[in-house]
Formats: sequence, structure tokens, C-alpha cells
Amino acid sequence: GQNIDQPTEMTATEGAIVQINCTYQTSGFNGLFWYQQHAGEAPTFLSYNVLDGLEEKGRFSSFLSRSKGYSYLLLKELQMKDSASYLCAVRDSDYKLSFGAGTTVTVRA
Amino acid sequence: IAGITQAPTSQILAAGRRMTLRCTQDMRHNAMYWYRQDLGLGLRLIHYSNTAGTTGKGEVPDGYSVSRANTDDFPLTLASAVPSQTSVYFCASSDSSGSGTDTQYFGPGTRLTVL
Repeated sequence: GQNIDQPTEMTATEGAIVQINCTYQTSGFNGLFWYQQHAGEAPTFLSYNVLDGLEEKGRFSSFLSRSKGYSYLLLKELQMKDSASYLCAVRDSDYKLSFGAGTTVTVRA
Repeated sequence: IAGITQAPTSQILAAGRRMTLRCTQDMRHNAMYWYRQDLGLGLRLIHYSNTAGTTGKGEVPDGYSVSRANTDDFPLTLASAVPSQTSVYFCASSDSSGSGTDTQYFGPGTRLTVL
């Protein structure tokens, strides 16, 4: 099984940078995903890491260290529309996803 | 427009009633999933199907059943609803062919209240 931890809430100012950490303990690792979920909506895919290192996609980057069981999602140049919940999910060797409880990010003007 | 649809959008149900949540995808994905999302607990897997004709149990399968008669549809049935099944239910699908990241894509969700 998986044990996935991420902070419950974070607040940042428009234009700033926020880093959301995710730690996990897994019985079989086969990739880590980050999803964005706006209130009342479905989760939408943001990023995927399976090898150690940084993946960059525009204003969003995701990092993975498999030996440390650690990932972070970096949101740069924050915009008001980035206010949402961010879900860390770990895939096991059976291709099943286990999700963290999510981090609610509030962007203030 | 390609994607996943779920019905109904929301439902209020009396305890003890039977209810089927519908999920249809038109992306020809072979794998489909049902999750429930509760405040503070995140998404939890109820049942899944790796391909048409097969299903499997997830983390919280009790009180739910699924079927996968074809590639596109994956209904979730609550045989006798209980208040603890009040939740938001999301259906998801993935290509699962091994040729890509096998990312799961989610439907818009069904908000179910059992009284």
C-alpha cells in the first residue's frame, strides 16, 4: 500500500512562487502524478515523474527523488486562477493510483 | 468532444434505495476506474476494470458493484444505499497500453447524498 503526505493548506501572493511537497511510502513505485482540482470540478492532469529529476511545463515544474520518497510541485508566477487543490498521486506496480488528501493553495492579490 | 461523461450530476437518495451511477468514455481507453472523494481523505479507489469483461476491487469496494460489458461504459451500482456513501464519485479512464504514461483522466463527477 501507499502512505502519501502533503500539507493541507498553503497561501501565497499573486506573482510569487509556491512549492508543494509530497512524501510517500510505497510497496511498489511506478510513477508519481500531480493533479489540479478546482472547487466543484474534476481533477485535471498536471505532471508525471517516473525518473529522478525535474520536469518543467511552463509555470509548473515537478521534481522527484525516488530514494527519498519525495516529490514537489513548483508553481511560479502565481495567478489568481491557480487557487485550487493540488493532488499528489503515486502509482504502484499494479498501475493503481493512491492519492494524498490534497493541498489547497490560495492565491491572494 | 472526446472525454468522459457521468450521470447524474447530482442525486439525493433515500437510504436503502438502489442507485446506478453511469460513466461513459469515448477515448477507447481500456482501463476505467471509480473513486470516491471525501473531505480530508482524498480520492479512494472503489473498483477498477483493466479491460472490457474484467473488474477488480479497490481500496473501498464494500457496498458497491461494477460491470464492464463493453469498452465505453463502466456503471457503478449501490445495491442498498447507506448515509456513509454520501460522497462525490469520480469515474476515470486511462489508455493502459504501456505505450505512454497511462495517465488517468477524470469525468466531471456525481455528487450523491444519501439520507
